[in-house]
Amino acid sequence: DAGVTQSPTHLIKTRGQQVTLRCSPKSGHDTVSWYQQALGQGPQFIFQYYEEEERQRGNFPDRFSGHQFPNYSSELNVNALLLGDSALYLCASSRRGLAGGRYEQYFGPGTRLTVT
Amino acid sequence: AQSVSQHNHHVILSEAASLELGCNYSYGGTVNLFWYVQYPGQHLQLLLKYFSGDPLVKGIKGFEAEFIKSKFSFNLRKPSVQWSDTAEYFCAVRMDTGRRALTFGSGTRLQVQP
Repeated sequence: DAGVTQSPTHLIKTRGQQVTLRCSPKSGHDTVSWYQQALGQGPQFIFQYYEEEERQRGNFPDRFSGHQFPNYSSELNVNALLLGDSALYLCASSRRGLAGGRYEQYFGPGTRLTVT
Repeated sequence: AQSVSQHNHHVILSEAASLELGCNYSYGGTVNLFWYVQYPGQHLQLLLKYFSGDPLVKGIKGFEAEFIKSKFSFNLRKPSVQWSDTAEYFCAVRMDTGRRALTFGSGTRLQVQP
C-alpha cells in the first residue's frame, strides 16, 4: 500500500518563475492538504482540497493556488516566485467524513523548492 | 491568533535519560492533539494522537503524552531515550472540527548522545 507520494523531490527555480508540485494521496484517502515548511520551522498550512474544491486556506497569498483531480491527486502552483518561497512543501492526505474530525493526516516526503 | 508553542528548541540527552518535551496551545475549544516525528532525511511520521477519553495516550516506540486541559498542554514523554530517537519532534493541534488544518509548533530538535 503506497503512502503519500510527491514529485519532484527537488526543484530549483529563478525568482519570478512559476512552479507546479504534485501529490498523490494514500490509498483510500480523498482529502489533500498542502503545507510549507521553512528551514527550522514547523509546517504551515497553505490550503486543503476535497471533492476537487479548495475547502480551507491558510494565510498565503493568491500566488499560491491548487487543484485536485477526480482521482484525488493534487497540484500546488506558485506564481511569481520570491526568494522567500524557498522551503520544503509537504502534502498530507486524509479521509474526510470521519465524525468529529477524528482523523490523522499522513505526510509525504516533500518537495524541496529553492528559489534563486 | 491560535498558536502552538514548543518551548524547547534543542534538547541534548544521553542514552537512557528520560525525555519530556513541552507543548502548549492557545485555544479554549475542542482540540485534537498530535505529536509528529521527523527523523533525519525522512518524512513526518505520526507518533501519537489524542482525540478524547483517557488524557494519557501511548504511541509508537515507547512514547506517551499527557493532555492537561487546564494547562492547555500536551507534553511528550519517554522514560529512556535511545540514540535512534535523534530527530525533530513537532506538536500539532487541530483547533476545532470545523477547521481541518493542523497548526504546528516550531519543533524541538532532540539529539541523543551514545
